Amino acid sequence: QVQLQESGPGLVKPSETLSLTCTVSGGSISSFFWSWIRQPPGKGLEFIGYIYYSGSTTYNPSLKSRVTISVDTSKSQFSLRLSSVTAADTAVYYCARVELGIPRTSAFDIWGQGTVVTISS
Amino acid sequence: QSVLTQPPSASGTPGQRVTISCSGSSSNIGSNYVYWYQQLPGTAPKLLIYRNYQRPSGVPDRFSGSKSGTSASLAISGLRSEDEADYHCATWDDSLSGWVFGGGTKLTVL
Repeated sequence: QVQLQESGPGLVKPSETLSLTCTVSGGSISSFFWSWIRQPPGKGLEFIGYIYYSGSTTYNPSLKSRVTISVDTSKSQFSLRLSSVTAADTAVYYCARVELGIPRTSAFDIWGQGTVVTISS
Repeated sequence: QSVLTQPPSASGTPGQRVTISCSGSSSNIGSNYVYWYQQLPGTAPKLLIYRNYQRPSGVPDRFSGSKSGTSASLAISGLRSEDEADYHCATWDDSLSGWVFGGGTKLTVL
């Protein structure tokens, strides 16, 4: 079955750029939307953005100026870059698959295990 | 501050029925499907209810979802110790053109 695995540094300095990659295995990255979601310590989930396998993106307006999501279909990976990070960006970052071709009517049906990213000097 | 409002905690004894509410607005719950995710301690969220009331394969029928107007509810009947988890509601928001979540409800089985 399809599995997702996040990877990247667990510690990032303030003002630097957070970079994470999600590797898709057991299935095709094509024909799906792929998303990044985060969860600050002790808080709820926050949608960061999503990307279609073709490369089109949509971002959370509150993060849009700092976020870039990209896809590499040859490697079955999609990536997150979040610039100018602060302590408020400390969170568990999850990658997830959007189940259908219409995000507005779709769930996140497959999730990665999550990766902890701490922003600290 | 989450866009959707959930109670921070809920509790019940084994065998009881508990409900968790999720309140939104006309731009999100009022015009879109609601989803519920179960997050067991130390794990990633798992899809529990999709498109208001539907259950993915493998989810027991003890779990049910409903929606009315700008609010939704998750009901768990025949409560079991393994149901102790955080429950998150989610929906699409037309104003934001993206998903929004509730703050999560921590369910304790007494």
